[in-house]
Amino acid sequence: AQSVTQLGSHVSVSEGALVLLRCNYSSSVPPYLFWYVQYPNQGLQLLLKYTSAATLVKGINGFEAEFKKSETSFHLTKPSAHMSDAAEYFCAVSDTGGFKTIFGAGTRLFVKA
Amino acid sequence: DAGVTQSPTHLIKTRGQHVTLRCSPISGHKSVSWYQQVLGQGPQFIFQYYEKEERGRGNFPDRFSARQFPNYSSELNVNALLLGDSALYLCASSLGQGTTNEKLFFGSGTQLSVL
Repeated sequence: AQSVTQLGSHVSVSEGALVLLRCNYSSSVPPYLFWYVQYPNQGLQLLLKYTSAATLVKGINGFEAEFKKSETSFHLTKPSAHMSDAAEYFCAVSDTGGFKTIFGAGTRLFVKA
Repeated sequence: DAGVTQSPTHLIKTRGQHVTLRCSPISGHKSVSWYQQVLGQGPQFIFQYYEKEERGRGNFPDRFSARQFPNYSSELNVNALLLGDSALYLCASSLGQGTTNEKLFFGSGTQLSVL
């Protein structure tokens, strides 16, 4: 079965600092990988997705993620944090059955002024 | 264009009752998925429907059921509510058959509280 593990339920950074949110996946076949963001009282919004076209994936709002097969990782980064980035971030992997997306437990990002 | 809409936004029920949650997908989207998000956890897959047919089901008891209508809207039904069913229920739609390389568009959810 496929799964994702997000390291760190809470991450705190200063405004302007690097954002690094960690995600490791488990999959027996090449996976589809996603990062979603959830702002308070809102649904999830797709930041970016990996579908094997390129290992470095650029998403919205300046975020990007790098697929590393050898490390089974798909960490999310942003060079400079903004106050508006404060939210909960979910890493997700597709299910080999074809119709299910499996989400990690989430990492809440706090941005300090 | 309207996004995915869910109703109601909040709901309070007591144990043993039944609840129906509703979802309208983005216009043109034919696939609808339902997820349960318990506080502090990631969304857990419940059902996926495409063209009124169930395409996938998560590890949930038979108390949970769903259906999709000809206009592609969907209902999630939960019978014999338990305290543990308290959660945010999210609906997501996608343009095609809902295969897992597709982008999911989420609604804001229905917050269900079971007392």
